[in-house]
Amino acid sequence: EAGVAQSPRYKIIEKRQSVAFWCNPISGHATLYWYQQILGQGPKLLIQFQNNGVVDDSQLPKDRFSAERLKGVDSTLKIQPAKLEDSAVYLCASSLDSRIEAFFGQGTRLTVV
Amino acid sequence: DAKTTQPPSMDCAEGRAANLPCNHSTISGNEYVYWYRQIHSQGPQYIIHGLKNNETNEMASLIITEDRKSSTLILPHATLRDTAVYYCIVRVVGGNEKLTFGTGTRLTIIP
Repeated sequence: EAGVAQSPRYKIIEKRQSVAFWCNPISGHATLYWYQQILGQGPKLLIQFQNNGVVDDSQLPKDRFSAERLKGVDSTLKIQPAKLEDSAVYLCASSLDSRIEAFFGQGTRLTVV
Repeated sequence: DAKTTQPPSMDCAEGRAANLPCNHSTISGNEYVYWYRQIHSQGPQYIIHGLKNNETNEMASLIITEDRKSSTLILPHATLRDTAVYYCIVRVVGGNEKLTFGTGTRLTIIP
């Protein structure tokens, strides 16, 4: 079974630039999560989708972050404009539904300079 | 709003059992205990979860106290590949409950 795919693996941008991350969840998984993990901390949930609807985005900085999940499959997370404090690993995860275990991708490491 | 408390770090000798504690004194009757681990430069990996009975799978055992206020994850024969950060999470199963991570326990397996 293929896992959660994320791209790119690494990204370096200057502050105030824009960046987008892509996630392809495991086939058939209805729930999709985006997490931000700052060095030395646990992952912090940014947004949770159930199919293509948003279940929770309470910790998403909506002035600069946006996410979408078209057709309830792939998802993109965008930051515009980026700040230095956005440097982190962005993790995507999916689960068959929100009641059972989630499977994580390897993440995208973003460095903002 | 941390629901769990874990020691920040632990060491364990290779081949011995690693016992990772977690306190969740405010756990509700409908909340499960989940364990994930995160090996360096990888995404978190699900290990095991339970409600009130002890659970075992091919990776680990989960022992939950009778009052459910604490639990212990047991890796029976730790190997160097078990070096990782281990997260204990309490979570309602059903609805769209968030999967919220704390800071976890950094387990180092010593050769």
